[in-house]
Amino acid sequence: ETGVTQSPTHLIKTRGQQVTLRCSSQSGHNTVSWYQQALGQGPQFIFQYYREEENGRGNFPPRFSGLQFPNYSSELNVNALELDDSALYLCASSLLRQGFHHSTYGYTFGSGTRLTVV
Amino acid sequence: QKEVEQDPGPLSVPEGAIVSLNCTYSNSAFQYFMWYRQYSRKGPELLMYTYSSGNKEDGRFTAQVDKSSKYISLFIRDSQPSDSATYLCAILVGGNQFYFGTGTSLTVIP
Repeated sequence: ETGVTQSPTHLIKTRGQQVTLRCSSQSGHNTVSWYQQALGQGPQFIFQYYREEENGRGNFPPRFSGLQFPNYSSELNVNALELDDSALYLCASSLLRQGFHHSTYGYTFGSGTRLTVV
Repeated sequence: QKEVEQDPGPLSVPEGAIVSLNCTYSNSAFQYFMWYRQYSRKGPELLMYTYSSGNKEDGRFTAQVDKSSKYISLFIRDSQPSDSATYLCAILVGGNQFYFGTGTSLTVIP
């Protein structure tokens, strides 16, 4: 059973640029969530994808967007990067079963992508 | 008021000590409570999961939820140097997102 893998592990971008982060979900999982973790803070929910559609969104502007693919992998795209976007971006996969409205505790996190905006 | 507030620490304890980590939350409707451990340069990993009130024990770890005071705790007995990490309390809300605390950094000194 493979875990959640994220790429790249580190990235440096210039303010105003665009970035795409990638996540491969754990085998058997069908839902992907993205979180932003600033230094010294807890992760903040960006959004979740289920069946290739957004299934909930946190308090992030529209320049944060995502995709989920048929193999359940996912991308996080951030446009017009700002200095405050510098953070660890975490992907978490889970299994949402039909008839259940949430995955409860079965979330597996990746090690994250460290994004630095200069 | 933030949804989850966590005692920030940092905490430094000698090996073998009992560690108490604490969070408070704002909404009495919250039901699913977790504790995650995060090592440096890694993602959070689930330690304990509790539904509603009460205690749950797993080896050296005990998670406690007091819904009347909206308080969650994690106790670590016989702490080990390998327990040195950041501990995050988390609440699953709306079925699809976590509210995390800010994390407490723990160092266990051999």
